[in-house]
Amino acid sequence: GQSLEQPSEVTAVEGAIVQINCTYQTSGFYGLSWYQQHDGGAPTFLSYNGLDGLEETGRFSSFLSRSDSYGYLLLQELQMKDSASYFCAVSRPGAGSYQLTFGKGTKLSVIP
Amino acid sequence: DGGITQSPKYLFRKEGQNVTLSCEQNLNHDAMYWYRQDPGQGLRLIYYSQIVNDFQKGDIAEGYSVSREKKESFPLTVTSAQKNPTAFYLCASSSEYNEQFFGPGTRLTVL
Repeated sequence: GQSLEQPSEVTAVEGAIVQINCTYQTSGFYGLSWYQQHDGGAPTFLSYNGLDGLEETGRFSSFLSRSDSYGYLLLQELQMKDSASYFCAVSRPGAGSYQLTFGKGTKLSVIP
Repeated sequence: DGGITQSPKYLFRKEGQNVTLSCEQNLNHDAMYWYRQDPGQGLRLIYYSQIVNDFQKGDIAEGYSVSREKKESFPLTVTSAQKNPTAFYLCASSSEYNEQFFGPGTRLTVL
């Protein structure tokens, strides 16, 4: 089966840096994605790592170590609007396509 | 504007009734997906489709059915066989293996 583990809640101060970790066990693996979801809203794509290493997109960075089955999302210069749930998701082969398996999400609260 | 639409946003049904959730996309994506999200949980895959007239079961397909008669449309039917249908349902589409675009979701409540 597939399983992803990430912390359920994280609290950080505005302007600070926060790291959200994700470990996974899966049969078949293309890469690791991160999605952001505000309360009541739709998930939106943040980043994807297909290879080991760091990917940077503005204030957000994501890291993957395939040998350790581990990745993280790094959020810098936190803003109040970053308060949301963050999901890691494994891309794995599906019939003629691919599937995403999501973790249960990390609820980030940014405080003044 | 390109995107994914889901209707309605809120849906109420009586227990034992089938209900169909709409999902339409104008992104010209081949692949479409249906997910279910329960409070405090991640998204779980119900069904997905790579091309018209073909679809595959996801991790929790029991009690659900889909069709893919057009590239733009991927409706989901929640049948009376689904034991706990109250949830937030999200539709997504993609053209690449690394990014999915989500609709706004339908919140289904079965009374």
